Amino acid sequence: GAVVSQHPSWVICKSGTSVKIECRSLDFQATTMFWYRQFPKQSLMLMATSNEGSKATYEQGVEKDKFLINHASLTLSTLTVTSAHPEDSSFYICSARPDRGNQPQHFGDGTRLSIL
Amino acid sequence: EDQVTQSPEALRLQEGESSSLNCSYTVSGLRGLFWYRQDPGKGPEFLFTLYSAGEEKEKERLKATLTKKESFLHITAPKPEDSATYLCAVQAGGGGNKLTFGTGTQLKVEL
Repeated sequence: GAVVSQHPSWVICKSGTSVKIECRSLDFQATTMFWYRQFPKQSLMLMATSNEGSKATYEQGVEKDKFLINHASLTLSTLTVTSAHPEDSSFYICSARPDRGNQPQHFGDGTRLSIL
Repeated sequence: EDQVTQSPEALRLQEGESSSLNCSYTVSGLRGLFWYRQDPGKGPEFLFTLYSAGEEKEKERLKATLTKKESFLHITAPKPEDSATYLCAVQAGGGGNKLTFGTGTQLKVEL
């Protein structure tokens, strides 16, 4: 149980393109989902907390207009990287915390984004 | 500000050679300390949650312990399939459900 699916797993695109990443909780509902960014050999850095039916909460230094988050249902959150540039290339990982019980965050398998 | 420091950064063990990974933390009101395993190119996989000092949890060859300042992940008689990066994270009281992660310990178990 507690499976989180993230899609796509790998994206290569040209500079200036917008890229959408989906995060789905497959067997549970999650009012709250999280988006992280991870650089090679570094830790996961929280970018934003996604709340179903309301605006996301962004961490300090994360551009809201650059990283658009939509959490339209209890099982789906999306992250759109707008007008992506090479410096946005990274490993993006989402997680979801089940609404039921005192459970930990469960993570997707990440999306490797490469901007040329 | 919440901080998590993991040591060592990397660890090489022979199969069967037991060892421990360390996670030191400073947090304002610990709600939970989490251990995750991360394989290359994958997302973290949940292992344990510890809530209070003195608590211990076990799963196969892994055992996690917690004090007021640090947590240990003990690996007994490791196998090559235990090779991965082990991440520690803390959840602070009043911080919602946010996790603060350490940089991890990269474990390699050799035959």
